[in-house]
Amino acid sequence: GENVEQHPSTLSVQEGDSAVIKCTYSDSASNYFPWYKQELGKGPQLIIDIRSNVGEKKDQRIAVTLNKTAKHFSLHITETQPEDSAVYFCAGRGSNYKLTFGKGTLLTVNP
Amino acid sequence: DAGITQSPRHKVTETGTPVTLRCHQTENHRYMYWYRQDPGHGLRLIHYSYGVKDTDKGEVSDGYSVSRSKTEDFLLTLESATSSQTSVYFCAISESDGAAEQYFGPGTRLTVT
Repeated sequence: GENVEQHPSTLSVQEGDSAVIKCTYSDSASNYFPWYKQELGKGPQLIIDIRSNVGEKKDQRIAVTLNKTAKHFSLHITETQPEDSAVYFCAGRGSNYKLTFGKGTLLTVNP
Repeated sequence: DAGITQSPRHKVTETGTPVTLRCHQTENHRYMYWYRQDPGHGLRLIHYSYGVKDTDKGEVSDGYSVSRSKTEDFLLTLESATSSQTSVYFCAISESDGAAEQYFGPGTRLTVT
């Protein structure tokens, strides 16, 4: 089955700086890669996703890039704000059609 | 927010007792999922459903069973709770299998003493 590795496990940045979270996957048949944001005490919320026929996708301050050859994808958050502080999860949809999640990254944006 | 509710939101139970968690959706989505979230493990799929009375196992299904008698409700049962099942349980829904967005409920925190 699919295996998704996520790094780093914790990330601390200053407000206004950029943050990058990276994930690798094992199943070359994977074709859908969502990113979720989870605030304390809440369920994960989809913030952006990318499919395997696209190399990059942007939504305001958030962007995701996908390198199918290297089997890795990344989340980029620019001009970080304190409200971006949360746990972020990447996931991959493998050949079993189910999402496999990374272990999460705790992002802290310091004012 | 997607119309997903989970009940109860918090529960403390003793080892060996049966426990049922409920997920209710108002979106009429075909697919429903149960995940557990534990520190250092992220989200792991327990069971999922692809229609009324159609269910299948996920990555960590041992000790759990599910039922779906109506489109809107998906039940997760721990037949005999163990301390290793202490976790936060999330329900999710999607219109199609995997590639479509999954929307998560608020979660149920279960403690087995």
